[in-house]
Amino acid sequence: QVQLQESGPGLVKPSETLSLTCAVSGGSISSDNWWSWVRQPPGKGLEWIGEIFHSGSTTYNPSLKSRVTISIDKSKNQLFLRLTSVTAADTAVYYCASNGHYSLLYWGQGALVTVSS
Amino acid sequence: EIVLTQSPGTLSLSPGERATLSCRASQSVTNNYFAWYQQKPGQAPRLLIYAVSSRATGVPDRFSGSGSGTDFTLTINTLEPEDFAVYYCQHYGDSPLYTFGQGTKLEIK
Repeated sequence: QVQLQESGPGLVKPSETLSLTCAVSGGSISSDNWWSWVRQPPGKGLEWIGEIFHSGSTTYNPSLKSRVTISIDKSKNQLFLRLTSVTAADTAVYYCASNGHYSLLYWGQGALVTVSS
Repeated sequence: EIVLTQSPGTLSLSPGERATLSCRASQSVTNNYFAWYQQKPGQAPRLLIYAVSSRATGVPDRFSGSGSGTDFTLTINTLEPEDFAVYYCQHYGDSPLYTFGQGTKLEIK
């Protein structure tokens, strides 16, 4: 079974860039599969951020597209999230997930990122 | 963009009862790319149902999904104590690819 583990700074200052890493184990990131990032503000619902294929092809949520970059390192079996110009509204638990049948099958445990000065 | 509205916001039931959770789409869903997730406090969401009615691996058969068009339902027969959680519906569509409902909290009465 695929396992995912998010990591990165838990605190980011306003206007700076949020950067997270998702380590994939139990499967290859080069498999015929897409990989997503999803976030959840404290006490609120889920918001899909975007996805990437091992070829590097990406699709983003239009609401975040201007600030988001998702990338992949096949040699390390990792994917990355970069979100620029963050504000307090970007405070959330960020999850990486592997895509299933038009759904999100496996999830990491999540990484809380707080935007605050 | 399809907007998903879940009802009720909170559902209070007792173990052994049946839960019926609703998810209404703002426009008719033309594909069957509809899923349900369970989330417990401090945990990541867990995929329960995909393609409207297919159970994910390891999901007990007391969970079932149904629906078409704009109305979709998650039914949990004979509630177990571990079923009390927040449930989210999700649609896969055009843009954004994945949209979620706001969630229904299933609490113990």
